[in-house]
Amino acid sequence: GAVVSQHPSRVICKSGTSVKIECRSLDFQATTMFWYRQFPKQSLMLMATSNEGSKATYEQGVEKDKFLINHASLTLSTLTVTSAHPEDSSFYICSARMGQEAFFGQGTRLTVV
Amino acid sequence: LAKTTQPISMDSYEGQEVNITCSHNNIATNDYITWYQQFPSQGPRFIIQGYKTKVTNEVASLFIPADRKSSTLSLPRVSLSDTAVYYCLVGDNYGGATNKLIFGTGTLLAVQP
Repeated sequence: GAVVSQHPSRVICKSGTSVKIECRSLDFQATTMFWYRQFPKQSLMLMATSNEGSKATYEQGVEKDKFLINHASLTLSTLTVTSAHPEDSSFYICSARMGQEAFFGQGTRLTVV
Repeated sequence: LAKTTQPISMDSYEGQEVNITCSHNNIATNDYITWYQQFPSQGPRFIIQGYKTKVTNEVASLFIPADRKSSTLSLPRVSLSDTAVYYCLVGDNYGGATNKLIFGTGTLLAVQP
């Protein structure tokens, strides 16, 4: 079946640095991808919709200058957490739809120290 | 987007059938009902999807009454490995790849020996 892959699966960075997370659709083209954030024992919260060749659409309350999204090709979207702080530590998950089904990446555990 | 309501948690024992009900009173005509499973530190995984009546696949059944204001995910003979969070989502599939998925609270199913 279709697969969405994220990289890295976990990353630890120092406060103030930036971290890039990649999301790839491995065997299908995804003009749209979605980025979620999940805190411990909470549900997934949609952060933004990544659109190939155009600007991402951010959900209310999500800082677009802090969470930079680039969707430069039909199989790759990246999320860059800029000037990361400990409160940005979370589990980040991307998703892409093919037909009626949505496929999710394995997630990226970000820890900011 | 229709909002969903599920029990926060459920307990069961190995070998039992588990039924998780989801309320979606404001479901729209074009909305489908989809259930996902999520293990800790992993992305959600598609379980089953339906529009009305009953749908069955190799892992679960989905029961949807005529008014479609609720749905029930049925897991036959659960095992310890079925311990996970189960999410019920409703959304318009005709939106294609751009249709974003909004997650509710989910139901934490704990299966005990």
